[in-house]
Amino acid sequence: ETGVTQSPTHLIKTRGQQVTLRCSSQSGHNTVSWYQQALGQGPQFIFQYYREEENGRGNFPPRFSGLQFPNYSSELNVNALELDDSALYLCASSEKPDRTTDTQYFGPGTRLTVL
Amino acid sequence: AQRVTQPEKLLSVFKGAPVELKCNYSYSGSPELFWYVQYSRQRLQLLLRHISRESIKGFTADLNKGETSFHLKKPFAQEEDSAMYYCALKSGGSNYKLTFGKGTLLTVNP
Repeated sequence: ETGVTQSPTHLIKTRGQQVTLRCSSQSGHNTVSWYQQALGQGPQFIFQYYREEENGRGNFPPRFSGLQFPNYSSELNVNALELDDSALYLCASSEKPDRTTDTQYFGPGTRLTVL
Repeated sequence: AQRVTQPEKLLSVFKGAPVELKCNYSYSGSPELFWYVQYSRQRLQLLLRHISRESIKGFTADLNKGETSFHLKKPFAQEEDSAMYYCALKSGGSNYKLTFGKGTLLTVNP
């Protein structure tokens, strides 16, 4: 069984640029959720993808967008980067979006720094 | 709107001492609560969920709806328990959205 993987590990961008972060879900999982974790804070839900469709969104502006592919891997895109976007971005996969007994498995994260 | 509060940013105990990490929540629906743990240089992982009513690594947590709390307890802390602990609330019905607290860094001293 392969765990959740994310790439890249670290990324440095400048204000106004665009960034794409990638996530491969755990084998057998069709649901991917993205979280932003600012320094000293808990993870904050950005959005979730289930079977290639967005299945819920947190309180993030439209410049945060995502995709899920037929193999259930996912991308998080952030346009017009701002300094406050500097954070650890976590991806989590689960088997189904709403099963109570399900577990979200987290990836190691991508550390984004915006200068 | 849902909210999870972990009042202690840092908690330091000695090995063998009891430990309690506090978590309070605010949610209008029927809550599902979890504790996640992150050991040094490791990824975030599920420790336990209230619905399972199980003990993991000696930790237990009871959901108290009257006090809207889900405190994590262990009677005898071990050095390997040192980690960051996050309380999380599942909400959203058809999607698995987790709302996390800010976390408590537990240090167990020898």
